[in-house]
Amino acid sequence: NAGVTQTPKFRILKIGQSMTLQCTQDMNHNYMYWYRQDPGMGLKLIYYSVGAGITDKGEVPNGYNVSRSTTEDFPLRLELAAPSQTSVYFCASSSTNRDGYTFGSGTRLTVV
Amino acid sequence: KNEVEQSPQNLTAQEGEFITINCSYSVGISALHWLQQHPGGGIVSLFMLSSGKKKHGRLIATINIQEKHSSLHITASHPRDSAVYICAVSKDSNYQLIWGAGTKLIIKP
Repeated sequence: NAGVTQTPKFRILKIGQSMTLQCTQDMNHNYMYWYRQDPGMGLKLIYYSVGAGITDKGEVPNGYNVSRSTTEDFPLRLELAAPSQTSVYFCASSSTNRDGYTFGSGTRLTVV
Repeated sequence: KNEVEQSPQNLTAQEGEFITINCSYSVGISALHWLQQHPGGGIVSLFMLSSGKKKHGRLIATINIQEKHSSLHITASHPRDSAVYICAVSKDSNYQLIWGAGTKLIIKP
């Protein structure tokens, strides 16, 4: 069982560059989430999706975009990377909002 | 005041001790989650509770809906239990999790 797979695990970006963080789950979960975790802090929700074709903003959406064309995939796009986006990014999924979450292993992003 | 409060913030104990981490919340919830974040950064969901008590191995989680309080207990603690333990709640009204600040647990051999 792969669960939630995130790629890449590490990335260094220059200011102004763009990139896509990939997230795939094989559990047929409807709900998917993107979180960021800054050093020593809790997780903050960036975007979430309750099913294919449906996405919505979380607590900190500025500077990011998402899409959900399939149940399995929920990529996070960073446009015009800024140093403030240096963080660890976690993708997660759940069957419903009342079920336990499965997290990916995280992507450590540094913007220089 | 934060909607989810955890205590203690930090906890150091000797191997074998019984550990209790507390979580209080102030909002209506549909579920409460306990998660573990390892020193390497990975996050694992331990429990999802909406009532009563759940047990998995040496871990026990309880919730009192009336008092808006949950506890996570670890019996016969071991150094490999060293991690940050996070309480999070799913609000009745939306899909977002509200996260506690976490409890950093260190178990010394």
